Amino acid sequence: DQQVKQNSPSLSVQEGRISILNCDYTNSMFDYFLWYKKYPAEGPTFLISISSIKDKNEDGRFTVFLNKSAKHLSLHIVPSQPGDSAVYFCAASDGNAGNMLTFGGGTRLMVKP
Amino acid sequence: ETGVTQTPRHLVMGMTNKKSLKCEQHLGHNAMYWYKQSAKKPLELMFVYNFKEQTENNSVPSRFSPECPNSSHLFLHLHTLQPEDSALYLCASSQDPGTASSPLHFGNGTRLTVT
Repeated sequence: DQQVKQNSPSLSVQEGRISILNCDYTNSMFDYFLWYKKYPAEGPTFLISISSIKDKNEDGRFTVFLNKSAKHLSLHIVPSQPGDSAVYFCAASDGNAGNMLTFGGGTRLMVKP
Repeated sequence: ETGVTQTPRHLVMGMTNKKSLKCEQHLGHNAMYWYKQSAKKPLELMFVYNFKEQTENNSVPSRFSPECPNSSHLFLHLHTLQPEDSALYLCASSQDPGTASSPLHFGNGTRLTVT
């Protein structure tokens, strides 16, 4: 059974608006979460991360929110730009696993001009 | 050349063939990884190498054989594969495999088709 789930396979947003990508996890031992972005024909690239001791981390237009009680995290992109169109992967790690990440299935974001 | 480089980008092989995927990282990292991405499935970790030593084998069938001659190069040797092994194979590296706060840097992958 998948321990990290991204239930929305795709999301379409208008340029300038907010994009919200969601991720749910089941393993309560996960204590570090990351988002990766993948363009076609390229490998995933690291975007932003958050430790379980925080509930929010912001980097420019990107903010990740963590709700530990709900085992839920989200990535907010404001304002969305056409260049943000890509597949976004959520990933998680527990303290023992280090960099052996468990990935979600990805959400394809399309930002329309 | 910078980053993580994978060759070939595309590979088609028969079930009786033997082929190898190559990965090279130019980032001075200590750990290297093989991930597999099948259609409609999340990325799955296959192998981890730390300072050339294999530290993780995620129950991968023996028809996949990794090799890490040094901390900059990683190979995945393939033999007698099955059609269901068709997937995107991604190599990654990181400075420290022991912490997720040392992000993975991925190559562009090898798209493998087994016929």
